[in-house]
Amino acid sequence: SQQGEEDPQALSIQEGENATMNCSYKTSINNLQWYRQNSGRGLVHLILIRSNEREKHSGRLRVTLDTSKKSSSLLITASRAADTASYFCATVNRVSNDYKLSFGAGTTVTVRA
Amino acid sequence: EAQVTQNPRYLITVTGKKLTVTCSQNMNHEYMSWYRQDPGLGLRQIYYSMNVEVTDKGDVPEGYKVSRKEKRNFPLILESPSPNQTSLYFCASSLWGTGGNIQYFGAGTRLSVL
Repeated sequence: SQQGEEDPQALSIQEGENATMNCSYKTSINNLQWYRQNSGRGLVHLILIRSNEREKHSGRLRVTLDTSKKSSSLLITASRAADTASYFCATVNRVSNDYKLSFGAGTTVTVRA
Repeated sequence: EAQVTQNPRYLITVTGKKLTVTCSQNMNHEYMSWYRQDPGLGLRQIYYSMNVEVTDKGDVPEGYKVSRKEKRNFPLILESPSPNQTSLYFCASSLWGTGGNIQYFGAGTRLSVL
């Protein structure tokens, strides 16, 4: 079953602008991950944030996690055309022992030159 | 190069004709998984395997079979494909547990069942 829900479903921005997308989930988590998918290709892992962390950075990516609100956000700063892709959040459930990853439906980001 | 390899990349078949999609990883990962991706639904897990000879159902296992006889291979079998199994399929592998289950994905198999 889907755990995460991304918002917005689609986002169009100008090159150089920042892109922010959000993920909400339903159950307690062990960690939350963000993946990128270029059109029709396999997903690529971007960043993992554990349930006891509040913020994490990786290059132009910034992820925040608010476990009290069961939500996370992904910020891409100074966007480039190459950032055009779909972005998915995925959660690992704290309760289950199988480290199963549950994906949301994704946010499609288009960066206009 | 560390990778997950799926074959074939594209497949068109007819209803009822058994098919197998192969998946192989060279990273010595214990955990392997199959997903299907449909528009607006994101990725849904079909089956997963936590080690050799250990497999379990994901969220949408109906109509699929898997086996894990070797650590590196995790084939997906459709015994009698139906049109509702037309989808984009991904295999993934990971070091589960304390590694946080960061998954490495194959390039995908686009399946059309007529």
